[in-house]
Amino acid sequence: DQQVKQNSPSLSVQEGRISILNCDYTNSMFDYFLWYKKYPAEGPTFLISISSIKDKNEDGRFTVFLNKSAKHLSLHIVPSQPGDSAVYFCAAKNSGNTPLVFGKGTRLSVIA
Amino acid sequence: EPEVTQTPSHQVTQMGQEVILRCVPISNHLYFYWYRQILGQKVEFLVSFYNNEISEKSEIFDDQFSVERPDGSNFTLKIRSTKLEDSAMYFCASRRRDGNSPLHFGNGTRLTVT
Repeated sequence: DQQVKQNSPSLSVQEGRISILNCDYTNSMFDYFLWYKKYPAEGPTFLISISSIKDKNEDGRFTVFLNKSAKHLSLHIVPSQPGDSAVYFCAAKNSGNTPLVFGKGTRLSVIA
Repeated sequence: EPEVTQTPSHQVTQMGQEVILRCVPISNHLYFYWYRQILGQKVEFLVSFYNNEISEKSEIFDDQFSVERPDGSNFTLKIRSTKLEDSAMYFCASRRRDGNSPLHFGNGTRLTVT
């Protein structure tokens, strides 16, 4: 039962261009969405989040967009840098002390 | 910046043996979690812990698993009798408060059951 889906296992982007990572969810009760970045041999690192009352949240080079009607969110990285190369996980949760549900991740490679 | 620390980084054990994975959450955090990631698969929730008791657990977290906060700083995951399919990265996480705040993860313990 995949409540959070990242349909692209990998993405390759040239340095300086925009990276767009996509995520779909099925549970309409989710009201908080997060993106995590993971390097090999490290734990997931929190990147950016968005509450369901918003449709956009920006933090430097990272912007998350939420389309509630489509149950879709995306992470934009611009400009992409080689250090952004990592696996990106989309995660979502219901309100309260409920666990995060993760997608399978998308491996981003930024080519210099 | 404070971080979640996990030990050991790699644990090799024989099938049927007990293992204890250790975590020190961030000191002012109140909510604690264990997740695991089997190689090539997604990060899966195991258990959450608050106020010295389990808040929620997944179907993965069966009777072979237990968690404990033996003192004010450590948070442990015990697997009583390991199986081959328990081989995975185990991540500890914590967060400061209830509601919508991000989890902070440790670097994980790679458990290999032979």
